[in-house]
Amino acid sequence: EDQVTQSPEALRLQEGESSSLNCSYTVSGLRGLFWYRQDPGKGPEFLFTLYSAGEEKEKERLKATLTKKESFLHITAPKPEDSATYLCAHLLASNTGKLIFGQGTTLQVKP
Amino acid sequence: EPEVTQTPSHQVTQMGQEVILRCVPISNHLYFYWYRQILGQKVEFLVSFYNNEISEKSEIFDDQFSVERPDGSNFTLKIRSTKLEDSAMYFCASSQTGQSYSEQYFGPGTRLTVT
Repeated sequence: EDQVTQSPEALRLQEGESSSLNCSYTVSGLRGLFWYRQDPGKGPEFLFTLYSAGEEKEKERLKATLTKKESFLHITAPKPEDSATYLCAHLLASNTGKLIFGQGTTLQVKP
Repeated sequence: EPEVTQTPSHQVTQMGQEVILRCVPISNHLYFYWYRQILGQKVEFLVSFYNNEISEKSEIFDDQFSVERPDGSNFTLKIRSTKLEDSAMYFCASSQTGQSYSEQYFGPGTRLTVT
């Protein structure tokens, strides 16, 4: 069965304290790995897509990387406004656009 | 910047009633999706829709659910006879294609409460 697991479930950081979130998967026919940010009561906001092992993408304080078995979202010198739930999702090979989501990592950054 | 919009933001209905959730996808997108998120749980795929047909549906998407693109801009999800367990946030999303190089953009969601 296709599964996506994120760790940790929750993460508390002090402002400026860098860390990484993990997304591991057992998915057949991976076609893409997506990272989203979700604020409480809102829809997922697109951050990155990664397609192949070794690929990296950056946006402000966030950097996403991909290996054959997992992806990391590195947060450098986070600020309180980075507090949110970060979701990873896998696009399967069916070409129908179906995304399989992990349960998310809830990040809290304290000033 | 183009965005996906959804109405209503919150819908309260009684068990057994029909509800229609509405979405306006991004205008040049061709693939449309519905996902749902029960409080505290994962975002779950319901259905994908392309060229006026369902491309794929999940086990959740049973005969009580249907989707429609009634015109060139709207995309709707209908639940014929709501159950308590249908209470969730429902998200519409759209993308240019269903393939790996096409990002899916999500709307703000409709919170459905079934009483």
